[in-house]
Order: sequence, then structure tokens, then C-alpha cells
Amino acid sequence: GAVVSQHPSWVICKSGTSVKIECRSLDFQATTMFWYRQFPKQSLMLMATSNEGSKATYEQGVEKDKFLINHASLTLSTLTVTSAHPEDSSFYICSAISSGNNEQFFGPGTRLTVL
Amino acid sequence: DAKTTQPPSMDCAEGRAANLPCNHSTISGNEYVYWYRQIHSQGPQYIIHGLKNNETNEMASLIITEDRKSSTLILPHATLRDTAVYYCIVRGYGGATNKLIFGTGTLLAVQP
Repeated sequence: GAVVSQHPSWVICKSGTSVKIECRSLDFQATTMFWYRQFPKQSLMLMATSNEGSKATYEQGVEKDKFLINHASLTLSTLTVTSAHPEDSSFYICSAISSGNNEQFFGPGTRLTVL
Repeated sequence: DAKTTQPPSMDCAEGRAANLPCNHSTISGNEYVYWYRQIHSQGPQYIIHGLKNNETNEMASLIITEDRKSSTLILPHATLRDTAVYYCIVRGYGGATNKLIFGTGTLLAVQP
């Protein structure tokens, strides 16, 4: 099956610093990727849609200047949490749509802890 | 907004079939029913999807009612490793409808 990887799998940072999370489709091309956030005991919340070569589309209530998304190639999207604060601590999950069959596959997630 | 309704939790005995219901009464004619599951602290895993016909794969079976307003995911022989949150999602095909919007799901606890 199609594989999506995320790096890092976990990160701890100080308040005020920026953190970059990578999402890669390993064996397929993905023109569209999605970023989700999940707080403890809650469901996944869609943050934004990342399209290769164009600006990301953010869901209502998600600050685009705080969560920078870059989708520079058909296999890589990055999410940068800028000036992170403790309330940004969460499980960040990406997914990618295979341009071959339109199916969506999820990465393993990145746990961010901001001290 | 999620377009599906699922019970918050269910128990199932190991080795027995687990039947997880989902209501999607406002589903459109071109929308599919997808099922994913999420084991604790992992990314969601695709299980199965269907449009109107019943579907079966190596993991599960999906039974969709004739009016398409509800469906049931069946795990034929549940194991302890099937303990997870199961999400039923209605999704279009292509463009903005590609988004998967997660509801609260059903926490399935498989008991030994």
C-alpha cells in the first residue's frame, strides 16, 4: 500500500521558537496533501489543504501566518509552526492523495510539545 | 461539519464479529462512505469504502442500506489489535470534496 512518512515523529521545543514538520509520500505522487491537528481525546481537525505549486487553503479559524505550509514538490509538504506556544502542543498528522487513484493515505503523526 | 453519526463506544468479545453502525442520512448521490480507524497515537488507517454496493476486503465488510442513509462496518473476527477509534466519513470525489472531515468516531474495545 501507499506510504506516507512524517519527520520528526516527535519534537520538544521552547516557547517562541519555530518548528518544521515534513510530510512525504514515499511511493506515489501527491498533488494534494492535508494537515490535521489532534488534541488529546479529541478527533482530528482539518487545518489546511496543501496543493503542489500553489498556496495552501486554510480552514476557518486556522491562522495562515502561524501555520506556514509549503508544498514544493509532488512528494513533499512542510508545516512550520511559527512562534510556537504551549497551546500549540498537539499531534499533527498529514495525509496525501494519490494522483493515481484519488485515495488518501495518512502519515504516522508528529507529536509536538512546546514548553 | 461531519455528516455522520456514530455511537461513541462499543465493546466486542475477542473472536466475535464487531458490527459498527453509522448514520449518514444527508449523504449526496455522488458521495462515498469511507471507514478509517485510528489506533492510539498513530495516524488513521484506511479500512474500506463504498458508494452503494456492499464491499468486502481482507480487513472488513461494508454493508450500505439501499437508501444509503446508513451503513455498517463488520469486522468478522475481532482481535485485541482491532481496539481503536473507528471513523465513518462521507466524502465526495475530486476537488474540494476530497477533504476527509472526521467526526467523533466509535471507540471499539475488544475484550479478551
